[in-house]
Amino acid sequence: AQRVTQPEKLLSVFKGAPVELKCNYSYSGSPELFWYVQYSRQRLQLLLRHISRESIKGFTADLNKGETSFHLKKPFAQEEDSAMYYCALGLGGGSNYKLTFGKGTLLTVNP
Amino acid sequence: GAVVSQHPSWVICKSGTSVKIECRSLDFQATTMFWYRQFPKQSLMLMATSNEGSKATYEQGVEKDKFLINHASLTLSTLTVTSAHPEDSSFYICSARGGTALHFGNGTRLTVT
Repeated sequence: AQRVTQPEKLLSVFKGAPVELKCNYSYSGSPELFWYVQYSRQRLQLLLRHISRESIKGFTADLNKGETSFHLKKPFAQEEDSAMYYCALGLGGGSNYKLTFGKGTLLTVNP
Repeated sequence: GAVVSQHPSWVICKSGTSVKIECRSLDFQATTMFWYRQFPKQSLMLMATSNEGSKATYEQGVEKDKFLINHASLTLSTLTVTSAHPEDSSFYICSARGGTALHFGNGTRLTVT
């Protein structure tokens, strides 16, 4: 069965430091991977997806099929990046589509 | 951008009563919507997939007679928690697929007393 693992429940860094939030997945096919972010008292929102290979708010994530990873990175963390981050794996199509979430990592960026 | 509206934001009900939660896609049509449950400090757990015009698909361990899902139109899905008990108290979140990404509602905090 497909699974998404985020090994760190909590991650704390100082402002300006690099940050990497780890995500590993288990799926034998071609995965569709996402990072979602949930700021305090706000809804879950899409941060980025692997197919678009974009950088949002300075964050990037590269799919590494060999290591089955999709780590989220930012070279210089900002205080406003403090939030809960979820890695998610999308599978299936049409009415069979399903998004499986990791347990999330709470990022705290200290001043 | 795509917006999903969920109502109510919070509800308190007495044990034994039923509660209905609405999920609407405001500016796009969603043939498929999803209902999640989130316990404190835990991840989102998929409860069921709601398909417009057909029966919902429930995840293993989710009682379909307890959590009734109706997807009557392309923009509205409802989750009814029937005969609620205190253990049903949780945060319920809906999402709708627009394009290749899921868009989430703000969630509903249900407290059963």
